[in-house]
This record gives sequence, structure tokens and C-alpha cells, in this order.
Amino acid sequence: DAKTTQPTSMDCAEGRAANLPCNHSTISGNEYVYWYRQIHSQGPQYIIHGLKNNETNEMASLIITEDRKSSTLILPHATLRDTAVYYCIVRGGNQSGGYALNFGKGTSLLVTP
Amino acid sequence: DAGITQSPRYKITETGRQVTLMCHQTWSHSYMFWYRQDLGHGLRLIYYSAAADITDKGEVPDGYVVSRSKTENFPLTLESATRSQTSVYFCATRQPGHGYTFGSGTRLTVV
Repeated sequence: DAKTTQPTSMDCAEGRAANLPCNHSTISGNEYVYWYRQIHSQGPQYIIHGLKNNETNEMASLIITEDRKSSTLILPHATLRDTAVYYCIVRGGNQSGGYALNFGKGTSLLVTP
Repeated sequence: DAGITQSPRYKITETGRQVTLMCHQTWSHSYMFWYRQDLGHGLRLIYYSAAADITDKGEVPDGYVVSRSKTENFPLTLESATRSQTSVYFCATRQPGHGYTFGSGTRLTVV
């Protein structure tokens, strides 16, 4: 699976959009980009995933560049409850590791009042 | 309630004891996983299971045993607990097309 690079930490003011970048320059054609977040002491929570088209759901939007080498997770109106560690994970459809996700260090997002 | 349940939520055990962490799903998802999370290491895969009676090792399987006699249960056993196994353990299932769902975790302390 492709390696991802994320900033260690970011700040965002409450009510503003939080844009979390992720680089995955070695991504291959069949690999998806997944975003998860982990609020302190809780299990990771699924946010969104995509292959090459931009995606939106009730939680966030995922923008994937045309060359697929990077992506951005957008939380349109961040709240204090969005303070968490956000993980960008690239995962192919092959069954190696039982489709398990490889979590890196993630980005620690702090939403401030 | 539908979902994934881990028990116990907290456990303190002594070195050398056997301890089993439970994971139960109310769906019938084929794939289930056990991760551990430690400061400085993030989440690491211990074992996974593709279906009942099919299990395989992940990144850090030493000292752990799993079984999956029923699709809905995936217990993790520490045969002889060591202090290095003090960690937070997360169980997860894979939902085809909808991502992965994680349990709330078991915080295990080995003294």
C-alpha cells in the first residue's frame, strides 16, 4: 500500500473550514484514499473514502487531485468536537492483510473557540 | 443495539496471567481485526480474520492467540501477559463499501 504524508498538527478556528492535506505520491490505480479520525480515547471513526472523484457526505468532503498524488479532507464548519487525530490511509483492493488499514501518525487537529 | 462491542472496557492483570479480550459484532461482516495502540507506535495490526475459522497474523502477533468459531465473535487471548502488552486494544469489522467500524477499545494494564 502507498505511503502517506500528513502534517503533524494543525489549528482551526471554530466555525471555519478545516482543510487537512495528505500526500500519497506513490498511490497506484486501484488504491483508495480513506480518512478516519480518532477522538481522544475512542476508537477510530470512518469519515470518507474515494478513488479518484471528489466525494462528499454529511461529515466532510474529500478532494483528490487529478493525478491522485494528494488529497484534502475538508470539514466545512469545524466545531470543538472535531478536535481529533485525522488519519489519511491509502488501501488497495487486494486481500493482503485481510484488507487491514495501516495507520500512520495522522494529523492532530485542534479546533479553537 | 447494532454495532461492535468490546469487553471488558478496562482490565488490570498480573504478569503471567492469561487474559481474554472479547469482541462481538451484531452484523455478519466477514472481516474482523484486532489492533493495539501505544504511544509512539500508533495503531498496529495484531491478527485478522476473513471468516469463521479463518485467521491470520498481522504485524505484531507474538504473545497473542485468536479464534473465530462464530462469525460474530473474535476473542483475543494473551496466553501469558507481559508488561509490554499494556496497551489499548481495538477490535474492528470491515463493511464492504462502507469502511471499517471500530469498537470503543479495551484498556489493558499488565502489572
